Amino acid sequence: EPEVTQTPSHQVTQMGQEVILRCVPISNHLYFYWYRQILGQKVEFLVSFYNNEISEKSEIFDDQFSVERPDGSNFTLKIRSTKLEDSAMYFCASGRSQETQYFGPGTRLLVL
Amino acid sequence: GDSVTQMEGPVTLSEEAFLTINCTYTATGYPSLFWYVQYPGEGLQLLLKATKADDKGSNKGFEATYRKETTSFHLEKGSVQVSDSAVYFCALRDAGGTSYGKLTFGQGTILTVHP
Repeated sequence: EPEVTQTPSHQVTQMGQEVILRCVPISNHLYFYWYRQILGQKVEFLVSFYNNEISEKSEIFDDQFSVERPDGSNFTLKIRSTKLEDSAMYFCASGRSQETQYFGPGTRLLVL
Repeated sequence: GDSVTQMEGPVTLSEEAFLTINCTYTATGYPSLFWYVQYPGEGLQLLLKATKADDKGSNKGFEATYRKETTSFHLEKGSVQVSDSAVYFCALRDAGGTSYGKLTFGQGTILTVHP
């Protein structure tokens, strides 16, 4: 059964550094999403991406964040200058339609 | 805005006990409702869903009924197993015209089942 995959599983970075989190969505899916979960808090929506552009984003998704689908398979989230409060689990999700999303295993980001 | 509230956890049960995890929601439109499960060390897996009032979602012995009158989507299972130990998330998707599928999650409920 096809799955969403994410790399790396864990990332440790210094404050102010750039990080790129990578996702490979399920191959025939058209809708792509990033969410994050700060330890002990709710899973929060960051951004949705459809037809090669951002379709919706949350207040969290400020100028420090960007997403890209550089080729037919990868979907990336870039944080330009990481802050301590960016430490969280980041989940990628994809869907063939808007109706149902399938999540990857997550990347745990720790900013020191 | 949309919101989802789950019962406070954690929940600890013995094997074969009956499970209920309460979930209520606030939404302006007619949302679709979901339960996701997160097993230790894994990502979120879709457990079940319902897209309109009175629909019942079911999977792996779990059930939840979309109750518009009480804005609820409680998760139930008649006989839990140790392997059901996980974190359960209730979520909604606003079906309004400006939504592109964004999910709003509850805070999650940790379930531990003892033999």
